[in-house]
Amino acid sequence: EAGVVQSPRYKIIEKKQPVAFWCNPISGHNTLYWYRQNLGQGPELLIRYENEEAVDDSQLPKDRFSAERLKGVDSTLKIQPAELGDSAVYLCASSFQTGGETQYFGPGTRLLVL
Amino acid sequence: SQKIEQNSEALNIQEGKTATLTCNYTNYSPAYLQWYRQDPGRGPVFLLLIRENEKEKRKERLKVTFDTTLKQSLFHITASQPADSATYLCALHGGSQGNLIFGKGTKLSVKP
Repeated sequence: EAGVVQSPRYKIIEKKQPVAFWCNPISGHNTLYWYRQNLGQGPELLIRYENEEAVDDSQLPKDRFSAERLKGVDSTLKIQPAELGDSAVYLCASSFQTGGETQYFGPGTRLLVL
Repeated sequence: SQKIEQNSEALNIQEGKTATLTCNYTNYSPAYLQWYRQDPGRGPVFLLLIRENEKEKRKERLKVTFDTTLKQSLFHITASQPADSATYLCALHGGSQGNLIFGKGTKLSVKP
């Protein structure tokens, strides 16, 4: 069974540029999460989807971040414009259902904003 | 304020010894707590889950305890091996809307 797939694995951009990350969750997993992980820190939730609905986006900086999960499968997280402080690893995870407890993480996208 | 702490940023032990990692929390009442392993350049990998009504859970060389009175979980790796070297993250089910809240992690190094 394939795991959670993310692309790209690495991205270097200049500040004020846009950037997008893509995630394909494990087949059959209804719940999808986007996390941000800063160096030396644990993952912090940005947004959680149940199917195509964003059920918790309270930690998503909505002035510059946006996300979508069309058809309840793949998801895209976008930053526009990027700032220096956005440099981090962006992790996608999925679970069979909320309260499904075990989350399966992708390898992450390492973003560097110059 | 709500807080989750893993009290060691790094832990160095000798191969064959038991590694014990600590996770403390305040102002949460988690229904369950999880431990994940994270290797450099990779996403976290689930290891164990323990519920609030469970005292102890084992899986092969891993053991987790959960004391809701002390608000503490201990994670043990017995007969540690160099391959156990990684960062171990504690995560509790206690955020708004039942999300997982992660600690900063403890980097374990097992020396041969």
